[in-house]
Amino acid sequence: AQSVSQHNHHVILSEAASLELGCNYSYGGTVNLFWYVQYPGQHLQLLLKYFSGDPLVKGIKGFEAEFIKSKFSFNLRKPSVQWSDTAEYFCAVNAFDQGGKLIFGQGTELSVKP
Amino acid sequence: GAGVSQTPSNKVTEKGKYVELRCDPISGHTALYWYRQSLGQGPEFLIYFQGTGAADDSGLPNDRFFAVRPEGSVSTLKIQRTERGDSAVYLCASSSLAGPYNEQFFGPGTRLTVL
Repeated sequence: AQSVSQHNHHVILSEAASLELGCNYSYGGTVNLFWYVQYPGQHLQLLLKYFSGDPLVKGIKGFEAEFIKSKFSFNLRKPSVQWSDTAEYFCAVNAFDQGGKLIFGQGTELSVKP
Repeated sequence: GAGVSQTPSNKVTEKGKYVELRCDPISGHTALYWYRQSLGQGPEFLIYFQGTGAADDSGLPNDRFFAVRPEGSVSTLKIQRTERGDSAVYLCASSSLAGPYNEQFFGPGTRLTVL
């Protein structure tokens, strides 16, 4: 069965610090990869996605993620975080032959101190 | 335009009771997904519909859970003989078509508490 692991449960950073959130998945076939974000009091929303091609993908609000197939990883990065990035971040995987079904990691709560 | 809506926003019930949770997808979206999110966990897939039919119900935990989408729009998740372990936030998402290439738009969720 597919699974997704996010290494950090809670990350605390000061504004302007760099961010990297780890995500590893287990599945031997072709996958599509996603990062979702949930700001306080808001719905889950898509931050960025990878289907194929350039393994470095850019999303909204200055976020990017790199797919490393050999490591089964899809880490999220941002060079300089802002207080408004405080949110919960979820990595998700979809197996190519599984329709639109998403398998989520347990989430990482990011707190950015002003 | 209107996003995905879910009602009720909160539901408190007693163990053993029956509950229905409703999802109104974005107009015109043919695919609809249900997920369940327990405290401290990520969303867990339950079932998805393409039109009126359930395309994949492999995530439903047992036969107490059932979902319908009779007209290909609104969906209802039904839970019989609720148990305390069913307490969670139930999320609904819709997309224009089924499949990973179509972004899923999530609703605010229904928080179910079983006493």
